[in-house]
Amino acid sequence: QKEVEQNSGPLSVPEGAIASLNCTYSDRVSQSFFWYRQYSGKSPELIMSIYSNGDKEDGRFTAQLNKASQYVSLLIRDSQPSDSATYLCAVVGRGGKLTFGTGTQLKVEL
Amino acid sequence: GAVVSQHPSRVICKSGTSVKIECRSLDFQATTMFWYRQFPKQSLMLMATSNEGSKATYEQGVEKDKFLINHASLTLSTLTVTSAHPEDSSFYICSAMRGPQGYNEQFFGPGTRLTVL
Repeated sequence: QKEVEQNSGPLSVPEGAIASLNCTYSDRVSQSFFWYRQYSGKSPELIMSIYSNGDKEDGRFTAQLNKASQYVSLLIRDSQPSDSATYLCAVVGRGGKLTFGTGTQLKVEL
Repeated sequence: GAVVSQHPSRVICKSGTSVKIECRSLDFQATTMFWYRQFPKQSLMLMATSNEGSKATYEQGVEKDKFLINHASLTLSTLTVTSAHPEDSSFYICSAMRGPQGYNEQFFGPGTRLTVL
């Protein structure tokens, strides 16, 4: 079992719709969870951090964490073509090292 | 806040030369920085963890004598690719960790694209 799992996609949504990205992790002691956005040829950009169960909202983004189910998700409301990118789920492990999922490619279509 | 810079952004060099890449946290102090490598259409691969004032910790399979890391201050880490060869051509990205232990937000630099001819 991979430590952090994501569906590779591509996930296609129409402009204005809600995009839902999911991630599961295997290490029960993980406490810090992140979503990064990576455009092709660019480095990852941190868009959301979440540390406790429940929802965390920031603009059009909502992160959801369920530690009992070892599940973290990212919702993007009112999706825009500029949201088209690869979204990386990351979980902090030992020594502060991030373990990344393989990423979900999101395509927002006009 | 939380800006990380990298220099240079792009390097083209001949086989056998050494290349130095700088990573700076511009508006915060980072006791820990990380170096990653990413090949086209692949995931980020952690190469090493760099702690200020101590030796870097390398991931399995990464040659420490080839990839020299120096974390001389709380805002600067450098990666030197020694005697670079074409197979070292890749996208090298650093990150800096901000915040207390347990939060560990990492912010990435813009990356350095290395091409070895």
